[in-house]
Amino acid sequence: EVQVVESGGGLVQPGGSLRLSCAASGFTFSSYAMAWVRQAPGKGLEWVSVIGGSIGSTYYADSMRGRFTISRDNSKNTVYLLMNSLRADDTAVYYCVKDGPYSGYGDFDYWGQGTLVTVSS
Amino acid sequence: QSALTQEASVSGTVGQKVTLSCTGNSNNIGTYAVGWYQQISHGAPKTVMFGNSLPSGIPDRFSGSRSGTTASLTISGLQPEDEADYYCSTWDYGLSLVVFGGGTKLTVL
Repeated sequence: EVQVVESGGGLVQPGGSLRLSCAASGFTFSSYAMAWVRQAPGKGLEWVSVIGGSIGSTYYADSMRGRFTISRDNSKNTVYLLMNSLRADDTAVYYCVKDGPYSGYGDFDYWGQGTLVTVSS
Repeated sequence: QSALTQEASVSGTVGQKVTLSCTGNSNNIGTYAVGWYQQISHGAPKTVMFGNSLPSGIPDRFSGSRSGTTASLTISGLQPEDEADYYCSTWDYGLSLVVFGGGTKLTVL
């Protein structure tokens, strides 16, 4: 059974940093891209970043590029999201998602339960 | 404004067939597989279709298709538990981004 489990959310002050982790199981982790998607309160889903499987190419949404860094450790079946220079509008539930088997990214097939990040003083 | 366009709201009665659409362009939907996600009461999203594949555990009244630059999610035999927000997403190679639709609120009357 495929599982993705996020951790690391919490309350952080504006300008601060936070690292999210996502532990995956039930599939050959290194063969699949992994991504982060967030949802601000009352808003729709917003893609954050994606990292390829074996080669590990990375891509970011425009508003996160330069502040967020996605990485993965295939030996630990874990993907990370390091978030720096956090702003109030980064407050959201952050979901870890597994990419599907088809070409390109964005056809996600499994979602975690999410971890809440609150940026506030 | 989302890169993919979805209806803001769709409604149907129990047992009816409804189709949700997701419109993009040749750089995204016209080329890459589309994912469809169901979100009930702002809980965690659940995938109901990826590419043209139905995830295990999703009833076969859900089906997906694509025509040109528009992807569609069809629910045949609408059930009360299908009431939810539905989102689509895919890759855009021109932008090198994953793009999402703004979501469709499906109401079961």
